[in-house]
Amino acid sequence: AQSVTQLDSQVPVFEEAPVELRCNYSSSVSVYLFWYVQYPNQGLQLLLKYLSGSTLVESINGFEAEFNKSQTSFHLRKPSVHISDTAEYFCAVSDQGAQKLVFGQGTRLTINP
Amino acid sequence: ETGVTQTPRHLVMGMTNKKSLKCEQHLGHNAMYWYKQSAKKPLELMFVYSLEERVENNSVPSRFSPECPNSSHLFLHLHTLQPEDSALYLCASSQSTANYGYTFGSGTRLTVV
Repeated sequence: AQSVTQLDSQVPVFEEAPVELRCNYSSSVSVYLFWYVQYPNQGLQLLLKYLSGSTLVESINGFEAEFNKSQTSFHLRKPSVHISDTAEYFCAVSDQGAQKLVFGQGTRLTINP
Repeated sequence: ETGVTQTPRHLVMGMTNKKSLKCEQHLGHNAMYWYKQSAKKPLELMFVYSLEERVENNSVPSRFSPECPNSSHLFLHLHTLQPEDSALYLCASSQSTANYGYTFGSGTRLTVV
């Protein structure tokens, strides 16, 4: 069965510093990969997704993630974070044709001024 | 209205009460999901409905009873809950598979007293 590991439960960084949130999944022939963001007391919002094509995908607010098939990873990066990026981030994977997403445990990103 | 709407946003109930959570989606999706999110725990998938039929029940206690009368509506009926059932309950919807990801509602914050 598919599994997802987010290696860091919490990541504290200073404002305007770069950040990387790590995500690894168990191997599969065809996978679809997602990052979701959850702000306090809200539901999860889709941040970006990889379905096919270019392995580098970007969001509208400056985040990007790279699909690395050989390393079975989909790490999320941002070159310069803002206070407003404080949230919990979830990586999720779906096998081709699967009924459900498999979520990681989440990474809490805290931005310090 | 667009997206996935959950009502109520907040609910406080006693252990002997009966209440229901409602979820409505206007996206033309045909799969719907209930998740439980407790503090310091991973997202827990509770139920999956596809084309109005329950396709997954993850060993959820019988005090939680889902209902999916049509592809746009999903309910979670609650009775005789315990304090440990206090959590954020999230509804999500997707196309027939999860390969394009989920759309989540904002959640219902449930407190059992």
